[in-house]
Amino acid sequence: GAGVSQSPSNKVTEKGKDVELRCDPISGHTALYWYRQSLGQGLEFLIYFQGNSAPDKSGLPSDRFSAERTGGSVSTLTIQRTQQEDSAVYLCASSLNAPTGGNIQYFGAGTRLSVL
Amino acid sequence: EDQVTQSPEALRLQEGESSSLNCSYTVSGLRGLFWYRQDPGKGPEFLFTLYSAGEEKEKERLKATLTKKESFLHITAPKPEDSATYLCAVQATGGFKTIFGAGTRLFVKA
Repeated sequence: GAGVSQSPSNKVTEKGKDVELRCDPISGHTALYWYRQSLGQGLEFLIYFQGNSAPDKSGLPSDRFSAERTGGSVSTLTIQRTQQEDSAVYLCASSLNAPTGGNIQYFGAGTRLSVL
Repeated sequence: EDQVTQSPEALRLQEGESSSLNCSYTVSGLRGLFWYRQDPGKGPEFLFTLYSAGEEKEKERLKATLTKKESFLHITAPKPEDSATYLCAVQATGGFKTIFGAGTRLFVKA
């Protein structure tokens, strides 16, 4: 079946502009994650959604960052008033988070954001 | 605070030269420890999940082991196609927030 899809694959924007990044998870997956990966670095947790529960927003770096998940499926990560330090690859993952045990996350290819 | 530290940052091997990658972790209670492989320009790809100390899992030339403080990814007789960044991650009990390490970049020369 189809994997996790992210769009756009690349986004170039000017400092101060708002951007929206989209993630289409694997059908039926109840959990959705957003991560940020700066050049040569590991993944920085941003936010995750689990079913109808309130999202865990503890990783969002500032109030310029927000995310929503509509209908338990598609998610949009919004960055307002972009700054040059926001330049990174933004990765989305989805998972069938079972009540017990760890859960495999399936990743999209990411959106490479460049803020000029 | 939950934390994951991977070492070394980079590892260069000759084809056939076995070695190990380390992942040290601090977590309040472990739900699961994960190993992923990431190729340039792609998202991470799942390799293994380990749940409790003493557990081991194998896949082809890779073997992952787990203690209460660290995990090792052993690579036996690596091939150039094993070149990638290997990421370690943990989930703590009580939630599904996932903390990743910075990764180990592995280069295998023919």
